[in-house]
Amino acid sequence: RKEVEQDPGPFNVPEGATVAFNCTYSNSASQSFFWYRQDCRKEPKLLMSVYSSGNEDGRFTAQLNRASQYISLLIRDSKLSDSATYLCVVNRGGYNKLIFGAGTRLAVHP
Amino acid sequence: SAVISQKPSRDICQRGTSLTIQCQVDSQVTMMFWYRQQPGQSLTLIATANQGSEATYESGFVIDKFPISRPNLTFSTLTVSNMSPEDSSIYLCSVEDRYRVSQETQYFGPGTRLLVL
Repeated sequence: RKEVEQDPGPFNVPEGATVAFNCTYSNSASQSFFWYRQDCRKEPKLLMSVYSSGNEDGRFTAQLNRASQYISLLIRDSKLSDSATYLCVVNRGGYNKLIFGAGTRLAVHP
Repeated sequence: SAVISQKPSRDICQRGTSLTIQCQVDSQVTMMFWYRQQPGQSLTLIATANQGSEATYESGFVIDKFPISRPNLTFSTLTVSNMSPEDSSIYLCSVEDRYRVSQETQYFGPGTRLLVL
């Protein structure tokens, strides 16, 4: 079993749609959680950290459920520019090592 | 966040040769890491570059194949030795900046695209 598993994708949605990505992790000692975005042929860029109480940044909302070891990312009012691969990232509990999920590709069309 | 540059940005190499990739940060950072991203796959950590001491390698990666240096708090190199076509990948350097950010957030350089023939 992979340490971080994500929806396989790809997600093809029209502009304005709401889309949700799910992610599960296996290491219950993990302390830090993130969503990164990676555009084609570019490096990953931090989208947002995920906090226990959930957090929002504009159209993006992240949720964490420690009991279920589950993380989600909700994107509202999708824009064409949101098209990218979204990477769920978890630290390997107690160490400065990030484990990356395989990513979910999002394609927003007009 | 810190500004990270990598050299070269891309290269095409012959099998059996070695390539050294440089990672430069515009400010002192606590941690530096090297990742590999093979075509169509996610990132895999190769090693943590420790300043002034030997790098810490992940399972499946060894120093003889991927020697790493980190002479100071702003610079690191990764060498891909005795290359084979299976080493064709994107190599990314990342930094964690605990001087300015409390959480374990990593920022990535632009990557080095390597093709081995």
